[in-house]
Amino acid sequence: QKEVEQDPGPLSVPEGAIVSLNCTYSNSAFQYFMWYRQYSRKGPELLMYTYSSGNKEDGRFTAQVDKSSKYISLFIRDSQPSDSATYLCAMSGGTYKYIFGTGTRLKVLA
Amino acid sequence: ETGVTQTPRHLVMGMTNKKSLKCEQHLGHNAMYWYKQSAKKPLELMFVYSLEERVENNSVPSRFSPECPNSSHLFLHLHTLQPEDSALYLCASSVEKVGNEQFFGPGTRLTVL
Repeated sequence: QKEVEQDPGPLSVPEGAIVSLNCTYSNSAFQYFMWYRQYSRKGPELLMYTYSSGNKEDGRFTAQVDKSSKYISLFIRDSQPSDSATYLCAMSGGTYKYIFGTGTRLKVLA
Repeated sequence: ETGVTQTPRHLVMGMTNKKSLKCEQHLGHNAMYWYKQSAKKPLELMFVYSLEERVENNSVPSRFSPECPNSSHLFLHLHTLQPEDSALYLCASSVEKVGNEQFFGPGTRLTVL
């Protein structure tokens, strides 16, 4: 079993839809969680950073962590074509080493 | 310059060449990382430097050799690479504290012929 599982997609949604992106993990020691957005042939851009459980909101983005279920989510409200990218989750148990998911490709159709 | 910069952005090299990738961070961070990103695979951590000392080396082949002369600069020296080493090589930096956010550069797209 991989430490971090992420559906590769692609996920296609119409403009304005609410998007839900998810990762599951197996290591209960993980407590630092990040979401990155990566456009084609670019480096990952940090979107959200959360510690432990709970929700965090930043503009149209909401990150949720459910440590009891070992499940994290990123919600995008009012999705735009410019949100079309690959979204990576990453998590760490308190070392320098973050474990990344393989990424979910999102396409927002105009 | 702001954030994390990497040069060159694209590199094509033969298997017998020697080349170097350069990374510079302008964020005042003191930990720097090299990652390899291959198609349909998660990012693979190659090297971590904290306060200019290497703290982690994930069993990377010796044909990859990192160098960190100071907290702002990081190099990855390449020699006698294999075609399967073709990938996007990403540099990242963070504050020297475990669990802190990592900020990435744009990457170097490496092709080994």
